[in-house]
Amino acid sequence: SYELTQPSSVSVSPGQTARITCSGDVLAKKYARWFQQKPGQAPVLVIYKDSERPSGIPERFSGSSSGTTVTLTISGAQVEDEADYYCYSAADNNRVFGGGTKLTVL
Amino acid sequence: EVQLVESGGGLVQPGGSLRLSCAASGFTFSSYSMNWVRQAPGKGLEWVSYISSSSSTIYYADSVKGRFTISRDNAKNSLYLQMNSLRDEDTAVYYCARASSDYWGQGTLVTVSS
Repeated sequence: SYELTQPSSVSVSPGQTARITCSGDVLAKKYARWFQQKPGQAPVLVIYKDSERPSGIPERFSGSSSGTTVTLTISGAQVEDEADYYCYSAADNNRVFGGGTKLTVL
Repeated sequence: EVQLVESGGGLVQPGGSLRLSCAASGFTFSSYSMNWVRQAPGKGLEWVSYISSSSSTIYYADSVKGRFTISRDNAKNSLYLQMNSLRDEDTAVYYCARASSDYWGQGTLVTVSS
């Protein structure tokens, strides 16, 4: 099995840029996805294949990858972006989520 | 409209069994691989199991291997998770999701407690 490591929390003021990292050896070989989850709701896919954005996801959400680290960037974070964010990757017979990052926007 | 609707959750005693179902609609279910993902109260997401579109490939997380069985019935557009030998730590909301992660159900709560 393998692990993905995220910071437990990130805090920004509205309009600032939020960056959430996810690290793991598997990320050097496999794509990552990012999910947003608000309280009481199912996760929502915001980035796939490291940097692709699904339709309907605001342009302020972007993803990047370098070596064993992927980064979710929210440019001009809004109050409504306050949520838990999880990275995810799949390799061989395993799939794993990062531990999650609580983004506070205030 | 794509919909995934889980059912079958509830309260069960440790050591007991439960079968979860996920009814799919709005897409060609037989063409998509599926996952079960769970989330314990106040905790993060945990992948549980994967099944390919034809059921030819199945994977399990180490935490449930040997106790849980994933299956599907493409004729009924349904995904299942048979959970046996349940433990307190299996208490969670269980989500079904397309393996592409683009669609998720709203989840069903499983509580394992005496």
